[in-house]
Amino acid sequence: QVQLVESGGGVVQPGTSLRLSCVTSGFAFSTYIMHWVRQAPGKGLEWVGLMSGDGTDKKFANSVKGRFTISRDNSKNTLYLEMNGLRHEDTAVYFCARNGEGDLGQGTLVTVSS
Amino acid sequence: QSVLTQPPSASGTPGQGVIISCSGSTSNIGRHYVYWYQHLPGTAPKLLISWTNQRPSGVPDRFSGSKSGTSASLAISGLRSGDEADYYCSSWDTSLSAWVFGGGTKLTVL
Repeated sequence: QVQLVESGGGVVQPGTSLRLSCVTSGFAFSTYIMHWVRQAPGKGLEWVGLMSGDGTDKKFANSVKGRFTISRDNSKNTLYLEMNGLRHEDTAVYFCARNGEGDLGQGTLVTVSS
Repeated sequence: QSVLTQPPSASGTPGQGVIISCSGSTSNIGRHYVYWYQHLPGTAPKLLISWTNQRPSGVPDRFSGSKSGTSASLAISGLRSGDEADYYCSSWDTSLSAWVFGGGTKLTVL
């Protein structure tokens, strides 16, 4: 069955960097646009960005543009989210999601705290 | 505020039905599929409805989705206490080139 497993979260200080991973299985990863979505504590869902299946196209939410980037390794069925210049307001659970199907992983928590 | 508009709360009694609305525009719901998520406290959001009206495997047929024009709806029949959760709608927005979400509706089963 389809699995999306995020990892890499943790507690980091403002201004630092972190890379999240999303290991997938059960579907043709390279054919899917993949998204990152986040949910801050007590808040709703917020789209972070996406990457096309072949990695040539990326889009980001204004709130993270210029600080976050997405990459993927289709040989490893894995999606990445590189987060730089982290801010307190980036504290959230981060989920990867499959375009079209809409399914989310279980998420990984990122806490930005001094 | 959110691009998609949902009522902040909804309620019903066990066994009743409830409908949660999601209002958008011609840039999103009016031309793209709608997705609904159920978020129970302490868990990851769960996909309830994909492709506007399709239930993923394992989702009971008490949950159904539909849309008309620039609005979508999630209908829940035979309410149970376990349905108490936050529900979010989402869709792609062509003008924003972004996946947009509603602010969420907190469902209370009285």
